[in-house]
Amino acid sequence: EIVMTQSPPSLPVTPGEPASISCRSSQSLLHNNGFNYFDWYLQKPGQSPQLLIYLGSNRASGVPDRFSGSGSGTDFTLKINRVEAEDVGVYYCMQALQAPYTFGQGTKLEIK
Amino acid sequence: EVQLVESGGNLVQTGGSLRLSCTASGFTFRTYEMNWVRQAPGKGLEWVSYINSGGNTIYYTDSVKGRFTISRDNAKNSLYLQMNSLRAEDTAVYYCARVKDYGGRMDVWGKGTTVTVSS
Repeated sequence: EIVMTQSPPSLPVTPGEPASISCRSSQSLLHNNGFNYFDWYLQKPGQSPQLLIYLGSNRASGVPDRFSGSGSGTDFTLKINRVEAEDVGVYYCMQALQAPYTFGQGTKLEIK
Repeated sequence: EVQLVESGGNLVQTGGSLRLSCTASGFTFRTYEMNWVRQAPGKGLEWVSYINSGGNTIYYTDSVKGRFTISRDNAKNSLYLQMNSLRAEDTAVYYCARVKDYGGRMDVWGKGTTVTVSS
């Protein structure tokens, strides 16, 4: 099983400031087709999860461009260049290269 | 409107069974792979099971293998999760999610259905 390790577990951020979340996998997520089978999801309070980033760096439909994903292989980063109040919630990384698919433990972003 | 609606969650005794359903609308269900994902109270997300569009490729997380069965009826635009030999640790909100292109990229999620397993 591929283990996903996120950091930090909690992230207090002042509105307008940047934020960064890291995720490391225990094995490379690079498929032989050249794509990283890695996603970022956000679960806002009281809501179902929503897709933010897929294949490591592609923004999902409707996701603001202040969100960006980067990385390859085993190390990935989600960046928010200017945090807004609506960005609060728990952020999860997930690998879908190999079953069982696995999530990170989550990063709770809160507004200072 | 693209939508997934889960149903079938309930309070059940340890060792009991439940069948969850997920009804899709607003898109061509038969062309999409699907996942079940669960979330125990106050905990993170846990992937449970995957099924491809034709229903002939299926994966499970280790903790549910031999107890849960995923299936689909493309004619009824429906996804199912048959849950047997339920344990307290299966207590969770269960989400169905549409999969796009590979096992991840879950771009549409339902609101979830709650399963509570109690002795």
